[in-house]
Amino acid sequence: SQTIHQWPATLVQPVGSPLSLECTVEGTSNPNLYWYRQAAGRGLQLLFYSVGIGQISSEVPQNLSASRPQDRQFILSSKKLLLSDSGFYLCAWQDEASTDTQYFGPGTRLTVL
Amino acid sequence: DQQVKQNSPSLSVQEGRISILNCDYTNSMFDYFLWYKKYPAEGPTFLISISSIKDKNEDGRFTVFLNKSAKHLSLHIVPSQPGDSAVYFCAAISSGGSYIPTFGRGTSLIVHP
Repeated sequence: SQTIHQWPATLVQPVGSPLSLECTVEGTSNPNLYWYRQAAGRGLQLLFYSVGIGQISSEVPQNLSASRPQDRQFILSSKKLLLSDSGFYLCAWQDEASTDTQYFGPGTRLTVL
Repeated sequence: DQQVKQNSPSLSVQEGRISILNCDYTNSMFDYFLWYKKYPAEGPTFLISISSIKDKNEDGRFTVFLNKSAKHLSLHIVPSQPGDSAVYFCAAISSGGSYIPTFGRGTSLIVHP
């Protein structure tokens, strides 16, 4: 069966510090991978998605970036965090062969102070 | 412009009664719809889906209805239980497009004992 992992679960970082959130998927090959952010009182905002290694599409221009160094690894990064980067970050995978469900990781709660 | 709208940010229902969560969409290319349930500090989990070739899909206490002419779908939970208290997200996919779901902003359901 497939599983998706995210870490860390919670993170408190000062403004201007770097960020690295990691997501890994097990039990599937060549998944579509997604990064979302859920800010307080808002829905799920798609940040990045990837259909393969090294292929990243950005949905929202901002100071975040994403990378996919391996088939089942998706990383969200920032060189300098802003207060507005606080939120709940979710990674999700989807079977690349279907229009089916996305499966979400447990999320990372990021607080930028 | 929101293509998937959940106009009720919150809904309060008594245990045992019916919960009806609504979702409207504007893009006529959407042909697959999903509902996700999300507890605080957790990732969303898939609940139920419906293809545009159907107008109803049922799974236990959960039923999704689709009205294509009105571009409207609803999720019915009968009977509602306190454990159903969560945020419910509606999502829509265009199978002829990128397969990336478009999410609504969510409706927070509270089921009172």
